[in-house]
Amino acid sequence: EVQLVESGGGSIQIGESLRLSCAASGFTVSDKYMIWVRQAPGKGLEWVSVIYGGGITLYADSVRGRFTISRDNSKNTLFLEMNRLRAEDTAVYLCAGSVETRGGFDYWGQGTLVTVSS
Amino acid sequence: EIVLTQTPLSSPVTLGQPASISCRSSQSLVGSDGNTYLSWLQQRPGQPPRLLIYKISSRFSGVPDRFTGSGAGTDFTLKITRVEAEDVGVYYCMQFSQIPYTFGQGTKLEIK
Repeated sequence: EVQLVESGGGSIQIGESLRLSCAASGFTVSDKYMIWVRQAPGKGLEWVSVIYGGGITLYADSVRGRFTISRDNSKNTLFLEMNRLRAEDTAVYLCAGSVETRGGFDYWGQGTLVTVSS
Repeated sequence: EIVLTQTPLSSPVTLGQPASISCRSSQSLVGSDGNTYLSWLQQRPGQPPRLLIYKISSRFSGVPDRFTGSGAGTDFTLKITRVEAEDVGVYYCMQFSQIPYTFGQGTKLEIK
């Protein structure tokens, strides 16, 4: 069974750092497109970052230079390292993978909440 | 950046009646490989998004056949033939033909 489980969220102060994890089961993370998406409270979905099977990484303008997406193949886990956090980064962060379809992000985690405040 | 504009933003529907959501793109979504990476996602209250439709019209495994996607180029539509109570939620179109990936604003489907 395919499953994605995020962890690592919490309440932190402006300027601090946090590392989110997305543990995958039922498929191999290194073979697939994997993304991070965020959803601010009461708002819509915003794409944050993608890592392709070949390892190429890309970012939204709002996080480039502050966030880093990576994966640990031995742990079959996706990560999002977030530095110099801002109040506007407050959101539920969700990971998703294009596992079966190769044409859509077909599996999503439940998300982990990050709250950034002063 | 490709902007996806959904209409309507709110859709009150009677149970058993059809519903339709439009997603208009600011640019063609045909990718360099010839595929159009336009998906539809459903987000029920308190739940993460769920993939319904990918590559315009392909229904993901387990999605009821009352959900249908159509369109081409810059205009896309999600149709629900007969709305059921479990369809309540917010529907998003999403494109990943071009970086940055983008989402529509979301359409809230509710029962009258």
